[in-house]
Amino acid sequence: GAVVSQHPSWVICKSGTSVKIECRSLDFQATTMFWYRQFPKQSLMLMATSNEGSKATYEQGVEKDKFLINHASLTLSTLTVTSAHPEDSSFYICSARYFAGAQGGQYFGPGTRLLVL
Amino acid sequence: AQSVTQLDSHVSVSEGTPVLLRCNYSSSYSPSLFWYVQHPNKGLQLLLKYTSAATLVKGINGFEAEFKKSETSFHLTKPSAHMSDAAEYFCVVSEADSWGKLQFGAGTQVVVTP
Repeated sequence: GAVVSQHPSWVICKSGTSVKIECRSLDFQATTMFWYRQFPKQSLMLMATSNEGSKATYEQGVEKDKFLINHASLTLSTLTVTSAHPEDSSFYICSARYFAGAQGGQYFGPGTRLLVL
Repeated sequence: AQSVTQLDSHVSVSEGTPVLLRCNYSSSYSPSLFWYVQHPNKGLQLLLKYTSAATLVKGINGFEAEFKKSETSFHLTKPSAHMSDAAEYFCVVSEADSWGKLQFGAGTQVVVTP
């Protein structure tokens, strides 16, 4: 149980285009999901907290107009990188919060690798 | 405020020998602490978690960690390394039992030699 998927697993796009990444909780409902960014050989940095039915909460320094987050259902959150530029190339990872006693926790998706040319 | 410091960026061990990954934390609250593993180009997998119960926590794949409040440490150990243990390991802290915002350490790269 507590499986999180991401789609696509990797994407290459041209500079100036927008890219949408989906994060799904497959076998549980998640009122809260999180989006992280990881540069090569670096740690994960939290970008934003996605709350079902309300606006996302962004971490300091993250442009909310650049990284649009929509959490329209209890099993799906999307991250859209708008007008992508080469510096947005990174590994984007989502997680979903799962409340289930001892099995509870944050479960991570496999990540989406974005390359902007 | 909370933070974690992983004291080693790289650890190299021989197969069959013990592994020790060191982590110190700082937290204004009673923390929850976790160790996650990330294999190349893969997502993160939870190895184990401490949430104010037993201070010695056993996880998957033979890993365990001990919460020492007096030393503000949560070191990860394994008695005998396997080749498949080669990966990046992250020590993580959050507010206790909230499963909320996670603060990641910088990571420790583990290399296992035959």
